[in-house]
Amino acid sequence: ETGVTQSPTHLIKTRGQQVTLRCSSQSGHNTVSWYQQALGQGPQFIFQYYREEENGRGNFPPRFSGLQFPNYSSELNVNALELDDSALYLCASSLGARLNTEAFFGQGTRLTVV
Amino acid sequence: AQKVTQVQTEISVVEKEDVTLDCVYETRDTTYYLFWYKQPPSGELVFLIRRNSFDEQNEISGRYSWNFQKSTSSFNFTITASQVVDSAVYFCALSEASNAGNMLTFGGGTRLMVKP
Repeated sequence: ETGVTQSPTHLIKTRGQQVTLRCSSQSGHNTVSWYQQALGQGPQFIFQYYREEENGRGNFPPRFSGLQFPNYSSELNVNALELDDSALYLCASSLGARLNTEAFFGQGTRLTVV
Repeated sequence: AQKVTQVQTEISVVEKEDVTLDCVYETRDTTYYLFWYKQPPSGELVFLIRRNSFDEQNEISGRYSWNFQKSTSSFNFTITASQVVDSAVYFCALSEASNAGNMLTFGGGTRLMVKP
């Protein structure tokens, strides 16, 4: 186990709704990254938070937003859900955001949009 | 063009066979890191190895070995004497100095099935 926990584990939402996914990082880790993994594909970087500030963003629309709290836990919010948002959402925490820093992944939240 | 390419989408072997998973990457950075992760059915990505762009020394860890060749932009992963527990999806990933923090760019993954 990596110590990174995500909730919920599974979620079903209707197109157009909003969803919030949560991530509790490993103790002491101040950096959280979110990835989207569509079925049969590799994870794609959504964004990263370092000490409560967004530290980088991938090619995702603004309806994907996030937060990092003072305890370094994080939320991923997705508005106006689309069918293509159905995926496994992975959270990764690390101690710092340096290039060679190892990221520890949670088990993910599987989101299904119907 | 994809930055990280894993041409083998699925490999099936019989237990005790050796298997090599290929990874080819593309970057303009001189400083970068390459990773391999294992994803079992539970979904969590398990870190296997990290290699920096200045260290081409091959590495062996038990039944696992990695061959990094900058000349061909490849970072291949070999499992010797495969076991059923090795069955999983394996991802190669790249972290570049020109990108945010320790952002990872993943390949499409290779599903390895080891049959008894």
